[in-house]
Amino acid sequence: QVQLQESGPGLVKPSQTLSLTCTVSGGSISSGSYYWSWTRQPAGKGLEWIGHIHTSGSTNYNPSFKSRVTISVDTSKNQFSLRLSSVTAADTAVYYCARPNYGSGTYYFDSWGQGTLVTVSS
Amino acid sequence: DIQMTQSPSSLSASVGDRVTVTCRASQIISNFLSWYQQKPGKAPKLLIYAASSLQSGVPSRFSGSGSGTDFTLTIGNLQPEDFATYYCQQTYSVPWTFGQGTKVEIK
Repeated sequence: QVQLQESGPGLVKPSQTLSLTCTVSGGSISSGSYYWSWTRQPAGKGLEWIGHIHTSGSTNYNPSFKSRVTISVDTSKNQFSLRLSSVTAADTAVYYCARPNYGSGTYYFDSWGQGTLVTVSS
Repeated sequence: DIQMTQSPSSLSASVGDRVTVTCRASQIISNFLSWYQQKPGKAPKLLIYAASSLQSGVPSRFSGSGSGTDFTLTIGNLQPEDFATYYCQQTYSVPWTFGQGTKVEIK
């Protein structure tokens, strides 16, 4: 099973861009037909799917993030990344990367990173 | 967006109890429904996918049912390690959405 590890700054200033990277081990990010996904969770609250990128390069984003979010892949480093611009305190959360699997005709999240806390504060 | 509504938001139960959590989708999602368990400070853990398929390694006391808009997660013979928060998620259409969570606490 693939392993995922998030990394990036734990503190971001308001109005700046949050940038996180997810390093994939145990498999190539460019092989197969998979989605590479980001989800977040504010402290004490529920899970919110941010978006994903497919092995083909196609992306889907949660409209609640409007045009602030970009997910990209770096196959040379076996990583995928999240960029969220114009952050506010409301973007303070634990950010998880995950790789949805496909089975029985549906997608499900069986591989998650451990999560990384990002705080938006001046 | 498809809204996922879980009930109850929290419940208190004792070891050995049978617990049921429900999840209702705002539109038909076939069986594109997963259930996750999350403990404090940890990533969610997949329990059930495709509404009723038990993930490998998950104890058989966990079961899922339902199709269309109404789904159920049942924990039979609740164990101390089952006290956690449970989430449903639909992957029928983007944006993929989660329920608000159900916290299972010790009575």
